[in-house]
Amino acid sequence: EPEVTQTPSHQVTQMGQEVILRCVPISNHLYFYWYRQILGQKVEFLVSFYNNEISEKSEIFDDQFSVERPDGSNFTLKIRSTKLEDSAMYFCASAALGTNEKLFFGSGTQLSVL
Amino acid sequence: GESVGLHLPTLSVQEGDNSIINCAYSNSASDYFIWYKQESGKGPQFIIDIRSNMDKRQGQRVTVLLNKTVKHLSLQIAATQPGDSAVYFCAETLNSGYSTLTFGKGTMLLVSP
Repeated sequence: EPEVTQTPSHQVTQMGQEVILRCVPISNHLYFYWYRQILGQKVEFLVSFYNNEISEKSEIFDDQFSVERPDGSNFTLKIRSTKLEDSAMYFCASAALGTNEKLFFGSGTQLSVL
Repeated sequence: GESVGLHLPTLSVQEGDNSIINCAYSNSASDYFIWYKQESGKGPQFIIDIRSNMDKRQGQRVTVLLNKTVKHLSLQIAATQPGDSAVYFCAETLNSGYSTLTFGKGTMLLVSP
């Protein structure tokens, strides 16, 4: 069964450093998303991406965040200058054309900012 | 603001029992609802969905019920198995085209053998 894959599974970084979280969505999907989950809390929406541009973003997704689809398969989330409160599990998700509400999630990248 | 919430943070059942996980939503404009299962260390896994023009939908061992009058959603799992132990999230969205999901806090289901 096709799945969304994310790398790395764990990322430890120092406060102020840049991190890039990588995702390979399901191959025929056209809608891409990043969500995050702080430990013990609910999953929160960050950003959605369609047709090579951001379609929607939350208040969390400030100027320190950016997304990119550099080629036909990868979808990345960059945090320019990490803060302690960025520590969370970051989930990538994708959806197919016509079923864009039905999101398939990756296993996540656990980001720890020290 | 409007949000999705869950009544029970933890539900403990015996193997073979039927489980019911509840969710209250407050955005009356939401028209699509999904239940996700999240096992430890994994991402949310799609279980079942329902649109607002339906009040019941059945899958394999799972049934979702939607009561729009009281804005309530439930997930019923028949013959619960230890492998069903996980956190279950309901999520809602508007059929807006880009479909930002709003998740509830989650209910931990613990199934004892």
